[in-house]
Amino acid sequence: AQTVTQSQPEMSVQEAETVTLSCTYDTSESDYYLFWYKQPPSRQMILVIRQEAYKQQNATENRFSVNFQKAAKSFSLKISDSQLGDAAMYFCAYRSLRNSGNTPLVFGKGTRLSVIA
Amino acid sequence: SQTIHQWPATLVQPVGSPLSLECTVEGTSNPNLYWYRQAAGRGLQLLFYSVGIGQISSEVPQNLSASRPQDRQFILSSKKLLLSDSGFYLCAWSNIRGKGNQPQHFGDGTRLSIL
Repeated sequence: AQTVTQSQPEMSVQEAETVTLSCTYDTSESDYYLFWYKQPPSRQMILVIRQEAYKQQNATENRFSVNFQKAAKSFSLKISDSQLGDAAMYFCAYRSLRNSGNTPLVFGKGTRLSVIA
Repeated sequence: SQTIHQWPATLVQPVGSPLSLECTVEGTSNPNLYWYRQAAGRGLQLLFYSVGIGQISSEVPQNLSASRPQDRQFILSSKKLLLSDSGFYLCAWSNIRGKGNQPQHFGDGTRLSIL
């Protein structure tokens, strides 16, 4: 079974600075999808960014980008120009492409990000 | 556009009482549906998922059960709640035709406290 590891339970960043959240995963599959979700204090789960494993180009969404290292099974999230509203729990997630991708996401335990004004 | 509704938002129940949490999705058909539990300060634990009416996969053996009586309705139940059932419960859906790249969309969650 696949596992997702987020080794940083908590991180902090100064406003306007850049922070990188780490995520590693374990799989024997060659094709899959990876996601980052944000959970602010409201506890709503919000999709931040996604990456297809067959794409070498790293996904970007405005201030959010990923560093996808397939060989190392690493999928880190970089937040540039951090804002107070970025403070949240961040979850990394993996989806297998078994059953045509109709499989649930496997989540890491999360990293709590604090943004310091 | 698609929306997901989950209720109630907050629930306080005594130990041993029954439970029914409901989740409905609008604006799509034949979605995959999921129930997750999030203990305080921890990650998301998948409880059940469903790829169609009457099709339920259970990930964790426990005193909870799930049912999908209609295409876009997913219900989480228990006959007798335990203290360990306390937590934040999230329902989610995803597009079955997405070939894996479709994200899961989450409801606003139910905070369940067992006394």
